[in-house]
Amino acid sequence: DAGITQSPRHKVTETGTPVTLRCHQTENHRYMYWYRQDPGHGLRLIHYSYGVKDTDKGEVSDGYSVSRSKTEDFLLTLESATSSQTSVYFCAISPGLAGDTQYFGPGTRLTVL
Amino acid sequence: GNSVTQMEGPVTLSEEAFLTINCTYTATGYPSLFWYVQYPGEGLQLLLKATKADDKGSNKGFEATYRKETTSFHLEKGSVQVSDSAVYFCAPRTGGNTPLVFGKGTRLSVIA
Repeated sequence: DAGITQSPRHKVTETGTPVTLRCHQTENHRYMYWYRQDPGHGLRLIHYSYGVKDTDKGEVSDGYSVSRSKTEDFLLTLESATSSQTSVYFCAISPGLAGDTQYFGPGTRLTVL
Repeated sequence: GNSVTQMEGPVTLSEEAFLTINCTYTATGYPSLFWYVQYPGEGLQLLLKATKADDKGSNKGFEATYRKETTSFHLEKGSVQVSDSAVYFCAPRTGGNTPLVFGKGTRLSVIA
């Protein structure tokens, strides 16, 4: 298994509070991704990174920001959580070429009350 | 950008039945194609992939053939087991910075 951990694994928070989710990898892969998974929508890309300090938006980036100051860590921040951001969040990594596999973390279940 | 259409689920089959999950894609250039599987309570894991036209990916008894002429990558298994119950995702990927784009997934339930 690829070395990917996510923390926390579960979180319950209240509307309006800031939340940061962490993805940590030990594979030294260049690319890192954040997805959210919701019933009826499958997985949707939030943001991704193609190197330290290099990030780009995905299809559902509104309300989220990311940072990557080190190769191994990719942080996802909800500046002011809303109930619509209740979801399961998955981090993924890949070396970066077209045929490369994306490896997924175990997920973080976030509930915003 | 890339997109993918998967057959709607849920799909319910009896053990040892034949499985087909349809997947068609839209992508620029020449994508690699992937099937991922998500078992209950877990993250996604790669099931199989194909990187060029007419390639067949296979793993754990599952197969899928990259059909460029029909832009399809249908997943098949000859005899499903209860342990195959999961959600299956099809995804194309082109090169450079393009991430995987997933379909909505197809939930498979296999009953004994």
